[in-house]
Amino acid sequence: AQSVTQLGSHVSVSEGALVLLRCNYSSSVPPYLFWYVQYPNQGLQLLLKYTSAATLVKGINGFEAEFKKSETSFHLTKPSAHMSDAAEYFCAVTPSSNTGKLIFGQGTTLQVKP
Amino acid sequence: KAGVTQTPRYLIKTRGQQVTLSCSPISGHRSVSWYQQTPGQGLQFLFEYFSETQRNKGNFPGRFSGRQFSNSRSEMNVSTLELGDSALYLCASSYPRTSGRGSTGELFFGEGSRLTVL
Repeated sequence: AQSVTQLGSHVSVSEGALVLLRCNYSSSVPPYLFWYVQYPNQGLQLLLKYTSAATLVKGINGFEAEFKKSETSFHLTKPSAHMSDAAEYFCAVTPSSNTGKLIFGQGTTLQVKP
Repeated sequence: KAGVTQTPRYLIKTRGQQVTLSCSPISGHRSVSWYQQTPGQGLQFLFEYFSETQRNKGNFPGRFSGRQFSNSRSEMNVSTLELGDSALYLCASSYPRTSGRGSTGELFFGEGSRLTVL
């Protein structure tokens, strides 16, 4: 069975500092991996996705993630945090691109301090 | 291009009642998935519909049901509401692969319907 673990339910960084949100997955088949962001009272917005084309994936708003099979990780990073990045971030996995069923992690709330 | 539209956005029900939530996908999207989001359980998959057929189902009791219409709009229904059904219900749509089967896995979410059960 597939699963996703997000390390740290809350992460706090200063504006301009590096953002690192951790995600580890478990999958018996090559996975498709996603990062979504959720702002208060809104739905989820796709930040980026890994579909095996390239291990370093660039997304929107300056975010990127690197797929490391040996570490079963897909950590999300951004070089310099902005106040507008404060939100909840979800990592998700699916065994196939041919499905709308995603397994989500528990989420990480990012706080950005001025 | 209009996004995924969910109605109603907010609703309050009492235990034992039933509720129907509606989702209009992005034009051209044929796959619709439903998720339940709660503080304790996080985001959990309910079910997915494609071309009016249920393709996948999550681990929820039979009180939770859904359907999809020929125009790809979808509804979900929860009968005999319980306090624990209070949640944000999210609908997501996706476009089919070039082969015409299923979705690409890139989901576009609506803003959700927030259900409170008293």
